[in-house]
Amino acid sequence: NAGVTQTPKFRVLKTGQSMTLLCAQDMNHEYMYWYRQDPGMGLRLIHYSVGEGTTAKGEVPDGYNVSRLKKQNFLLGLESAAPSQTSVYFCASSGRTAAQFFGPGTRLTVL
Amino acid sequence: GQQVMQIPQYQHVQEGEDFTTYCNSSTTLSNIQWYKQRPGGHPVFLIQLVKSGEVKKQKRLTFQFGEAKKNSSLHITATQTTDVGTYFCAGINDSWGKLQFGAGTQVVVTP
Repeated sequence: NAGVTQTPKFRVLKTGQSMTLLCAQDMNHEYMYWYRQDPGMGLRLIHYSVGEGTTAKGEVPDGYNVSRLKKQNFLLGLESAAPSQTSVYFCASSGRTAAQFFGPGTRLTVL
Repeated sequence: GQQVMQIPQYQHVQEGEDFTTYCNSSTTLSNIQWYKQRPGGHPVFLIQLVKSGEVKKQKRLTFQFGEAKKNSSLHITATQTTDVGTYFCAGINDSWGKLQFGAGTQVVVTP
């Protein structure tokens, strides 16, 4: 039982490049989330999903897209990376109890 | 702007001392959750409070939800070096529909 896993762990991009972050959970959770964490800002919700095939915008969705084609996977895409997207990205999932389980994070640097 | 405020942002504690971190919202919350993030790690769920005035304990940690359900506190007794990390509160209300995280309290423990 791995919980929530994220790939990659680290990535460096140049401005304008694209990439996809993958999140996988093996807890059969309905809800999945993508957050970004910046110093002094706490965790800010980018997008979330309440079930397979559904996605919704969070607090800071601009510049990101997501897809949830399978219940266990939630993908976060950056179509044209910008330096302002340098951050640590966390994926989380939750079931009926509402407690969120976080993955180990992806540290992204955009030059 | 941030809907859930935490104070202090930073706490330096001598080992063995007690300390308290506070979480405040301008609106009534349906529930509040607390998470701990160790340096370099990911947030880990600690507890959820739902009822007005609720108090829960986990060993040396005491969590409280205010009577008006607008504030919460985490009190740690006899701090140990293992308590180092950032503690986040996260609240949800009917209009937000999603968890809103505070900016966190970073705790440093001196032996």
